[in-house]
Amino acid sequence: EVQLVQSGAEVKKPGESLKISCETSGFKFSDYWIGWVRQMPGKGLEWMGIIYPGDFDTRYSRSFQGQVTISVDTSITTAYLQWDSLKASDSAMYYCARQGVVSSNPIYYWGQGTLVTVSS
Amino acid sequence: QSVLTQPPSASGTPGQKVIMSCSGSSSDIGRNTVNWYQQLPGTAPRLLIYENNKRPSGVPDRFSGSKSGTSASLAISGLQSDDEGDYYCTSWDDNLNVYVVFGGGTKLTVL
Repeated sequence: EVQLVQSGAEVKKPGESLKISCETSGFKFSDYWIGWVRQMPGKGLEWMGIIYPGDFDTRYSRSFQGQVTISVDTSITTAYLQWDSLKASDSAMYYCARQGVVSSNPIYYWGQGTLVTVSS
Repeated sequence: QSVLTQPPSASGTPGQKVIMSCSGSSSDIGRNTVNWYQQLPGTAPRLLIYENNKRPSGVPDRFSGSKSGTSASLAISGLQSDDEGDYYCTSWDDNLNVYVVFGGGTKLTVL
């Protein structure tokens, strides 16, 4: 059974750094694109970017390029989303998402979401 | 502002058929397949339709998708109260650094 289990909710202050995780199981981690999707409060879904654990090829949406870092640790089949300096506008629900073996494949599986709140 | 355009709301009564639209351009829907996601209140999205008209295992055949040119649509027949939620279309954009594009979502209300 494919599972994506995300880390718990976070409350941070502006300017702080943060790294949230997505622990995966039930499939060959190196073969599938793993990405992140943002959902701001009361808003729609926004695709942020993806990474291919097999060769660490990483692609970002233009909107998120330079704002976040997507990475993986293949030894523990876990993906990460990282901020160096959070802003209040980063407050949102973040979903980990497993796409297919091709980067243009749909998102077949979703994590449960990690709520990030950034407030002074 | 979303790249793909969806009507913000749709509604129907139990048993009815509802059709939602998704409009794109030649660089996204015009060249690539369309996927649809359902997000019920307070839950993560789930894949409903992929590659325009295919249903993942476990999705009832009440849900169907189609695509023509730069537009796509999702039809839900035999509407049920459990179908109430948000529906998003997505496609792939061939432009560099755009990749996956989402519609703004359609909120379905079952009256």
